[in-house]
Amino acid sequence: DVKVTQSSRYLVKRTGEKVFLECVQDMDHENMFWYRQDPGLGLRLIYFSYDVKMKEKGDIPEGYSVSREKKERFSLILESASTNQTSMYLCASSGARNTIYFGEGSWLTVV
Amino acid sequence: RKEVEQDPGPFNVPEGATVAFNCTYSNSASQSFFWYRQDCRKEPKLLMSVYSSGNEDGRFTAQLNRASQYISLLIRDSKLSDSATYLCVVPPYSNYQLIWGAGTKLIIKP
Repeated sequence: DVKVTQSSRYLVKRTGEKVFLECVQDMDHENMFWYRQDPGLGLRLIYFSYDVKMKEKGDIPEGYSVSREKKERFSLILESASTNQTSMYLCASSGARNTIYFGEGSWLTVV
Repeated sequence: RKEVEQDPGPFNVPEGATVAFNCTYSNSASQSFFWYRQDCRKEPKLLMSVYSSGNEDGRFTAQLNRASQYISLLIRDSKLSDSATYLCVVPPYSNYQLIWGAGTKLIIKP
């Protein structure tokens, strides 16, 4: 069964803290994505990766960075969290047929 | 025109009724399309894929109209559990450029 796991489901962080969101997939997919979803704005792509150590900016990369050292793992990093980064973060992966599978989401609140 | 557009709704529909909503797209080169379902505060989950003219799965039918550049989702005999937001997604050229609609909210009432 397809599985994308986001280890941190609910986080509360202070402004200026460094935040790591981890994502692991067990489907041997080449492509992995980080989205954020806010009410009324839909899904917005932050970064994606099509291979190990490869990354491409999405629509809203500012304030974020990513790391993909292993095929199954894609990490999102907020170098200095700000209140406008309070959101639901969704990790996803996809293989050859474009079908995308999501993790359960990470709810981040920055205070 | 947005690349992918959906009526945000909400569509309020009585249980047992048939409901349909559309998703329009701007890139005529798009070859495959997907409908996802998202429950409140949950992740989107794949509902149906559409690679040619259409697809049917039980009470759900997805159709593609290439001439008018839209895909539709039809739900027959709607259930309370069908209440959710339905997202369409269009990958115009590759995996990387998935374009998501903002979603249509459906509320099924008893």
